[in-house]
Amino acid sequence: GDSVTQMEGPVTLSEEAFLTINCTYTATGYPSLFWYVQYPGEGLQLLLKATKADDKGSNKGFEATYRKETTSFHLEKGSVQVSDSAVYFCALQPTGNQFYFGTGTSLTVIP
Amino acid sequence: EAQVTQNPRYLITVTGKKLTVTCSQNMNHEYMSWYRQDPGLGLRQIYYSMNVEVTDKGDVPEGYKVSRKEKRNFPLILESPSPNQTSLYFCASSLSAPNEKLFFGSGTQLSVL
Repeated sequence: GDSVTQMEGPVTLSEEAFLTINCTYTATGYPSLFWYVQYPGEGLQLLLKATKADDKGSNKGFEATYRKETTSFHLEKGSVQVSDSAVYFCALQPTGNQFYFGTGTSLTVIP
Repeated sequence: EAQVTQNPRYLITVTGKKLTVTCSQNMNHEYMSWYRQDPGLGLRQIYYSMNVEVTDKGDVPEGYKVSRKEKRNFPLILESPSPNQTSLYFCASSLSAPNEKLFFGSGTQLSVL
């Protein structure tokens, strides 16, 4: 069935370090892919999305490219800040009405 | 302000005592859904609704009921809660599905003793 596999955490980085959080998916057809972020005590917020192969989603310095050949949607940021500390979820929406989320990756950025 | 409002924020109950978690959105969204978040399992979809009077099961619907009598409201009902339903619950909505951005509520932390 449809699913998302996300890199295990937690991840701890120093400020200004490079971030990669891996995400791969299994789905039939042409799903949409998302990254959501959850700050402590809050609901999830959309960070970026891509709806077709080779699309690049970007927001707040974060980027992810929809790679159909490797079924991946890895999240990257060139220089993380303390304020980026949060839990990041990769999500999949296949050609239907259900959403599938990964298990989440906790990121802590230290000054 | 556009938002999804869930109540209550925290709830402690006992096994078998029926409860309802409310969810309301003020954005005229057609699509609404419920998720539970558990450590190591991420978010799992419980139920979703494409529009008024249209609901469908997600991945983990057992032990839950929903209704969509009005467009803005989508309550989650636990008729006989059990301890394995202790979890953090989120309601979300979007203008329509597919490919739409989900707007999430702040969550309801439920403990069933």
